[in-house]
Amino acid sequence: GAVVSQHPSWVICKSGTSVKIECRSLDFQATTMFWYRQFPKQSLMLMATSNEGSKATYEQGVEKDKFLINHASLTLSTLTVTSAHPEDSSFYICSARDPGQENNEQFFGPGTRLTVL
Amino acid sequence: GQNIDQPTEMTATEGAIVQINCTYQTSGFNGLFWYQQHAGEAPTFLSYNVLDGLEEKGRFSSFLSRSKGYSYLLLKELQMKDSASYLCAVMDSNYQLIWGAGTKLIIKP
Repeated sequence: GAVVSQHPSWVICKSGTSVKIECRSLDFQATTMFWYRQFPKQSLMLMATSNEGSKATYEQGVEKDKFLINHASLTLSTLTVTSAHPEDSSFYICSARDPGQENNEQFFGPGTRLTVL
Repeated sequence: GQNIDQPTEMTATEGAIVQINCTYQTSGFNGLFWYQQHAGEAPTFLSYNVLDGLEEKGRFSSFLSRSKGYSYLLLKELQMKDSASYLCAVMDSNYQLIWGAGTKLIIKP
């Protein structure tokens, strides 16, 4: 199956700093990638849909100026958490759809655990 | 609004069979997915149903009834490693996944 990687796997940062998370599709081209956030014991919450070459579509309640998304190529999308605060500590997961697959399956990256001190 | 309902938690015994139900109300339907998620890890794909009926894949089977807005995931010959959360997700008319809150499955020896 298709492979999606994420980097870094975990990051600890001080409050007020910015953190960039990369999501790559390794063996397919993804015109659309998705960014999720998951708090402990809760389900996935879609933050935004990242479209290659255009602006991301953010879900209601997600601050676009705080969570900057850039989808500069067909294999890379980045999420930057700007001026991170402790309440931003969460598990961030990206996913991508492989246009070559018939079943619209989303392939998930391994996730990035962010801890803001 | 769009809604996915599944039980919060279920407990089963090793070697037994368990059925996890999912009901949904969404704007449009382009398929239903089941994912498995172990604690601290990303979800992994289990099954996809877009037509009514049963899809069998080894120890796991998934059933769909579009008219009832209902699906279930059936796990047979349970193993301890099956302890995880099972997420039901429906793809709506905009090809966006709507996620259930997940069912935490606890397997006891």
